[in-house]
Amino acid sequence: KNEVEQSPQNLTAQEGEFITINCSYSVGISALHWLQQHPGGGIVSLFMLSSGKKKHGRLIATINIQEKHSSLHITASHPRDSAVYICAALNRDDKIIFGKGTRLHILP
Amino acid sequence: NAGVTQTPKFQVLKTGQSMTLQCAQDMNHNSMYWYRQDPGMGLRLIYYSASEGTTDKGEVPNGYNVSRLNKREFSLRLESAAPSQTSVYFCASSEIGGTEAFFGQGTRLTVV
Repeated sequence: KNEVEQSPQNLTAQEGEFITINCSYSVGISALHWLQQHPGGGIVSLFMLSSGKKKHGRLIATINIQEKHSSLHITASHPRDSAVYICAALNRDDKIIFGKGTRLHILP
Repeated sequence: NAGVTQTPKFQVLKTGQSMTLQCAQDMNHNSMYWYRQDPGMGLRLIYYSASEGTTDKGEVPNGYNVSRLNKREFSLRLESAAPSQTSVYFCASSEIGGTEAFFGQGTRLTVV
């Protein structure tokens, strides 16, 4: 079992829909990252969380430390949001452990 | 502020050839990482460096060597490339204690 599990693996939605991507982890962490990888391959860090909730534009990330669970939400989704979203946990040894990613496709 | 710079962006090698992937960061981060990304496998850690002069093996270190000669640079070397090392390689850096991770643009390596 992977130490960081993401769901779903693939998600196709219509433009405008509210999107939720989930991440569960089984290790002790000092922080959790949400990353975005566009078809061109570059990886961009969206959020770094150690508690609570963060919001940036239409993106919202939450983390529940007790339940070892984080979610990434996209409101009013748009085709340009189509990408792979990766959850990454920074464990207490300062190593980053990645989920396998969620491939999101937003249809116009 | 360039962030994390990786070179080259693309490379084709013949089996048995050697090459070094270069990575440099200008954010004064202590931790640097090398990952490979393969379809269906996600990002897997090859080697990790917590600070200048220290390196640790990750999940898939075989066939690779690394060098952290200074705080800024962390290089990955393939001594004798194999087709199984065809992949996209990413360098990343972060600060100790859980701050944002920054990634290079990736190197697409093909070994024929």
